Amino acid sequence: EPEVTQTPSHQVTQMGQEVILRCVPISNHLYFYWYRQILGQKVEFLVSFYNNEISEKSEIFDDQFSVERPDGSNFTLKIRSTKLEDSAMYFCASSDPLVDNEQFFGPGTRLTVL
Amino acid sequence: QKEVEQNSGPLSVPEGAIASLNCTYSDRGSQSFFWYRQYSGKSPELIMFIYSNGDKEDGRFTAQLNKASQYVSLLIRDSQPSDSATYLCAVTFSGGFKTIFGAGTRLFVKA
Repeated sequence: EPEVTQTPSHQVTQMGQEVILRCVPISNHLYFYWYRQILGQKVEFLVSFYNNEISEKSEIFDDQFSVERPDGSNFTLKIRSTKLEDSAMYFCASSDPLVDNEQFFGPGTRLTVL
Repeated sequence: QKEVEQNSGPLSVPEGAIASLNCTYSDRGSQSFFWYRQYSGKSPELIMFIYSNGDKEDGRFTAQLNKASQYVSLLIRDSQPSDSATYLCAVTFSGGFKTIFGAGTRLFVKA
């Protein structure tokens, strides 16, 4: 069964460093999403992406965040200058709007900012 | 501010019983409604989705939607210990491009 994959599974970085989280969505999906979940808190929407542009973003997704689909398979989230409060699980999801727009989540990347 | 509210629980039911999970949402423009299950340390796993008022059944799961009351629920019949998890209600807005999650209800099914 096709699935969303994410790398790395765990990323440790120093405050102020840039990180890139990578995702490979399900191959025939057209919509891509990033969410984050701080430990013990709710899943929070960050951004959705379609047709090579951002469709919607939350107030969390400020100028330090960016997304890109650098090729036909990868979807990345870049955090330019990490802060301690960026420590969280980051989930990528993808969906095919022709099939009820159900979002399928990847396993997540645990980001730890020291 | 669009909100999705759930009782955090924990909800504890005996094995074989019906578990009832509830969710309310604030925006009448909400379009799609989803229930996810999340085990500790894992990613959300889609259980069911519903778009229209009424009931939708899939195996042991039934989702119920009442748009007039801005209420969506999930019933789990014949609950099993493996159903013990946090259940997340999610609501999609803005043409399907933005999804807001509730904080989740923790369910414990006692053997």
